[in-house]
Amino acid sequence: AQTVTQSQPEMSVQEAETVTLSCTYDTSESDYYLFWYKQPPSRQMILVIRQEAYKQQNATENRFSVNFQKAAKSFSLKISDSQLGDAAMYFCAYRQKGGSEKLVFGKGTKLTVNP
Amino acid sequence: GAVVSQHPSWVICKSGTSVKIECRSLDFQATTMFWYRQFPKQSLMLMATSNEGSKATYEQGVEKDKFLINHASLTLSTLTVTSAHPEDSSFYICSASEGRGYGYTFGSGTRLTVV
Repeated sequence: AQTVTQSQPEMSVQEAETVTLSCTYDTSESDYYLFWYKQPPSRQMILVIRQEAYKQQNATENRFSVNFQKAAKSFSLKISDSQLGDAAMYFCAYRQKGGSEKLVFGKGTKLTVNP
Repeated sequence: GAVVSQHPSWVICKSGTSVKIECRSLDFQATTMFWYRQFPKQSLMLMATSNEGSKATYEQGVEKDKFLINHASLTLSTLTVTSAHPEDSSFYICSASEGRGYGYTFGSGTRLTVV
């Protein structure tokens, strides 16, 4: 079974600085999707960024980018120029391509942004 | 973008009664919907996967007779918590997939309190 591990229960960053959240996963599949979701205090889950495993180029969305290392099964999220609104729980998630569409979530990392 | 509406956002019910939570995809047809439960400061736990017109697939350990899921149309899935007890108090979240791996859109969640 696929598993997703987020080894940092909590992280903090100063406003305007850069922070990287770690995520590793375990799968025997060669093609799959990886996601980072943000859950602010409102508890609304928001998609931050998405990566398809067959695409070697790292996904970017404005201040958010990933470092996808397929061989190492690593999918870290980098947040640049951190803003107070980035404070939230961040969940890494995996989904196989084809078959079950269900997401497998990591336990999450709580990010605090200090002014 | 895709929007999923979840109602109610919070509900208080008496022990022994049933509560229905609705999840609607507003601007797309959701081939698959998912129901999660989230305990405080924890990750999302998948309860079941529902496909339009067929029986839901429940995760191991989830009582299908207690958590009734109906996916009667491509835009509506409901979760009914039957004979609710205080231990059923939790945050319930639905999500919907368009079935193309683009990601999942989440509802805003329902906080259920059973007294």
